[in-house]
Amino acid sequence: GESVGLHLPTLSVQEGDNSIINCAYSNSASDYFIWYKQESGKGPQFIIDIRSNMDKRQGQRVTVLLNKTVKHLSLQIAATQPGDSAVYFCAETPGYDYKLSFGAGTTVTVRA
Amino acid sequence: GAGVSQSPRYKVAKRGQDVALRCDPISGHVSLFWYQQALGQGPEFLTYFQNEAQLDKSGLPSDRFFAERPEGSVSTLKIQRTQQEDSAVYLCASSPTSAGRKDTQYFGPGTRLTVL
Repeated sequence: GESVGLHLPTLSVQEGDNSIINCAYSNSASDYFIWYKQESGKGPQFIIDIRSNMDKRQGQRVTVLLNKTVKHLSLQIAATQPGDSAVYFCAETPGYDYKLSFGAGTTVTVRA
Repeated sequence: GAGVSQSPRYKVAKRGQDVALRCDPISGHVSLFWYQQALGQGPEFLTYFQNEAQLDKSGLPSDRFFAERPEGSVSTLKIQRTQQEDSAVYLCASSPTSAGRKDTQYFGPGTRLTVL
């Protein structure tokens, strides 16, 4: 599968492989993190969230990992499908706030 | 069930015109947010409503931007005397409880505003 240790703006992955999208955050007070998927011409679509009292959470074909020590968040997509092609954003919000702060986004392209 | 809807989906305005963008949140959702998304960037917070009360407008870029939610459901974002730098996608999001609960924010499809 494809994986990157640092945030990259684009990721190309073979259909059927696993993909890993990384995100670094800067606010050590952030305690709620969300991954969104945004397809062209659409609004962000909720994928999965995680709170700071957890370090891993699994959904359907997706897993989010949180490493608070290095302020790093990752999204793993299993068996990537053509419909997974989109821009993926991580978002965070600190305990004292509710405004989502979005990362730069990673464009995922799935190769047939 | 119905999600968040926004209208119009696309708006072209001449510089100096006023525009009004509408958001219909998910029925019963207490919290409503507006975000601005520039091309190739992530959304940025503009303002937040809890029911009809606008509790936070710290992200509004200038006093030309005004938002309201008079009955605690539908919201309108108004931009007066539009400028080219206002060109962006304007996203509305709603969540079921007050923002302090950190519930998931569900986004609408956005309105793409182009100012000529």
